[in-house]
Amino acid sequence: AQKVTQAQTEISVVEKEDVTLDCVYETRDTTYYLFWYKQPPSGELVFLIRRNSFDEQNEISGRYSWNFQKSTSSFNFTITASQVVDSAVYFCALSEAEAGTALIFGKGTTLSVSS
Amino acid sequence: GAVVSQHPSRVICKSGTSVKIECRSLDFQATTMFWYRQFPKQSLMLMATSNEGSKATYEQGVEKDKFLINHASLTLSTLTVTSAHPEDSSFYICSAATRTASTDTQYFGPGTRLTVL
Repeated sequence: AQKVTQAQTEISVVEKEDVTLDCVYETRDTTYYLFWYKQPPSGELVFLIRRNSFDEQNEISGRYSWNFQKSTSSFNFTITASQVVDSAVYFCALSEAEAGTALIFGKGTTLSVSS
Repeated sequence: GAVVSQHPSRVICKSGTSVKIECRSLDFQATTMFWYRQFPKQSLMLMATSNEGSKATYEQGVEKDKFLINHASLTLSTLTVTSAHPEDSSFYICSAATRTASTDTQYFGPGTRLTVL
């Protein structure tokens, strides 16, 4: 069975701090996708990244970076120099590699960044 | 990028009425559409998967007679909550999946917030 665990329910930081959101997944598939989404108070999901299981290279996009480690089944997300606008709920998700399969979401981590 | 719309964005109704939510892929044909439900401060849970022209597949615990899904075309899926009750109050999000030569992915709609009084 597939499962995504985000052990951190809530994190509070002060602006300019770095913060890492943890994500651990379980799957028996050898080919799969991992995702991160941001959900601001409006509710609309904002896509951040998709990574397939064969690509373990770490990725950096501006202040965001992702660390994918198959050995520990983790796909952690780091925000560098956090800003108040980063405050949101962040979801890690997993899907099979076949088209037309749904995403399995973690429970989400609520990030609060104060000024 | 691909856009998925949902209508309405917010609806308040009385207990016992039915509510229809539309999910449209605006600039692509979606082979599959998914309906998720999100209760306050909780995660998104898959309700059902629908493919154009065929019956939807519901997740365990989701009543198919209560949550009617129609996927009449490659750009439109509807979710009808029949005889809604306060416990059906939730945020309903659809996503549309497509496959191109280079990638296959799904795009989420902005969600519909349903409040049943």
